[in-house]
Amino acid sequence: GESVGLHLPTLSVQEGDNSIINCAYSNSASDYFIWYKQESGKGPQFIIDIRSNMDKRQGQRVTVLLNKTVKHLSLQIAATQPGDSAVYFCAESGGGSQGNLIFGKGTKLSVKP
Amino acid sequence: NAGVTQTPKFQVLKTGQSMTLQCAQDMNHNSMYWYRQDPGMGLRLIYYSASEGTTDKGEVPNGYNVSRLNKREFSLRLESAAPSQTSVYFCASRRGDRGSPLHFGNGTRLTVT
Repeated sequence: GESVGLHLPTLSVQEGDNSIINCAYSNSASDYFIWYKQESGKGPQFIIDIRSNMDKRQGQRVTVLLNKTVKHLSLQIAATQPGDSAVYFCAESGGGSQGNLIFGKGTKLSVKP
Repeated sequence: NAGVTQTPKFQVLKTGQSMTLQCAQDMNHNSMYWYRQDPGMGLRLIYYSASEGTTDKGEVPNGYNVSRLNKREFSLRLESAAPSQTSVYFCASRRGDRGSPLHFGNGTRLTVT
């Protein structure tokens, strides 16, 4: 079946550096991808999304890159701050008419001051 | 504008007891979802309601029932709780089309002893 996974389960970066969180997906028919941030004790919070007709999308301090050739998704966070420490999930819109999201297991980002 | 509100925040049940988790959204979204989150498993879809009046099974529906009470409210019921249902439960909603993000509540932490 389809699956969404992450290359690194944990990532530790220095405050001020850029962070890159990676995600692989297996369903070539997926047409919509999302990144979520989850802080301890809270629900996942939407960060940014991208449709399959795009390669790159930028938000405030975040950029999502989509490489459909190798089925790879990445989230780049510029000038990482302590408040960015959280677990980050990617999700893909799976098959079927509903396009229910399929989530990866998450990467924990730790920002060192 | 509260977004997605879940009650209760915490609950402890004994095996065999029943309970209903409540969820309400004030974003006029068409679709609503129930997920469970377990360590190392990511978010798994229990049930969803694509629109008012419809409900469908997700990946892990066994042991649960749902009711879409109206457009705002979507409840999850455990008829006879089991220790395997110890988890964090998240309700989410979205506009309805497959290219829109989910918005999550802050979860219900359920322990079944």
